[in-house]
Amino acid sequence: DAGVIQSPRHEVTEMGQEVTLRCKPISGHNSLFWYRQTMMRGLELLIYFNNNVPIDDSGMPEDRFSAKMPNASFSTLKIQPSEPRDSAVYFCASSLRQGNEKLFFGSGTQLSVL
Amino acid sequence: GESVGLHLPTLSVQEGDNSIINCAYSNSASDYFIWYKQESGKGPQFIIDIRSNMDKRQGQRVTVLLNKTVKHLSLQIAATQPGDSAVYFCAETRGGSNYKLTFGKGTLLTVNP
Repeated sequence: DAGVIQSPRHEVTEMGQEVTLRCKPISGHNSLFWYRQTMMRGLELLIYFNNNVPIDDSGMPEDRFSAKMPNASFSTLKIQPSEPRDSAVYFCASSLRQGNEKLFFGSGTQLSVL
Repeated sequence: GESVGLHLPTLSVQEGDNSIINCAYSNSASDYFIWYKQESGKGPQFIIDIRSNMDKRQGQRVTVLLNKTVKHLSLQIAATQPGDSAVYFCAETRGGSNYKLTFGKGTLLTVNP
């Protein structure tokens, strides 16, 4: 299995632009997570899906952030409009089922908003 | 407030030595703990886990110890190798929300040849 696949690996954009991050979870995994990692705040859970349905989005910073999971093999995290404080590494992770805490992480997207 | 934290932000050891990375948690309701390893440019990778009904669990060259009395978790790496150089995170889940992992800030382990 190729593991969790994220794209792009790096994204540099200007303030105010729309950013879309993409994730393909491990095949057969029913739970998908988006995390954000910064030096100041560490790893923060943004949103969690189970069977393609958003279960908990309480970690999403504000309305500029949105996430979708149209099918079991694809999810997006969108920031519109982006701001410099959104600069971070964004990780997608998947697990076999709800309640299975063993997460498999992708390699992340390094986002820089200038 | 409730949190998971690490005592030492950095740890430097000699190759072949044993390493001990510590983690403190504040919520007695935490019932499941995981250690992750994150190498530069990569996502966190699962190392070992332990549930609150256990005090110790061993894997290959790694041991996790849980002291519920003082809410302390440690990761021991035997015969540390250069490939062990990474940031190590502890993570915990709290009863009733076991999908929601809370991660500590991490400890940077550097192994000197």
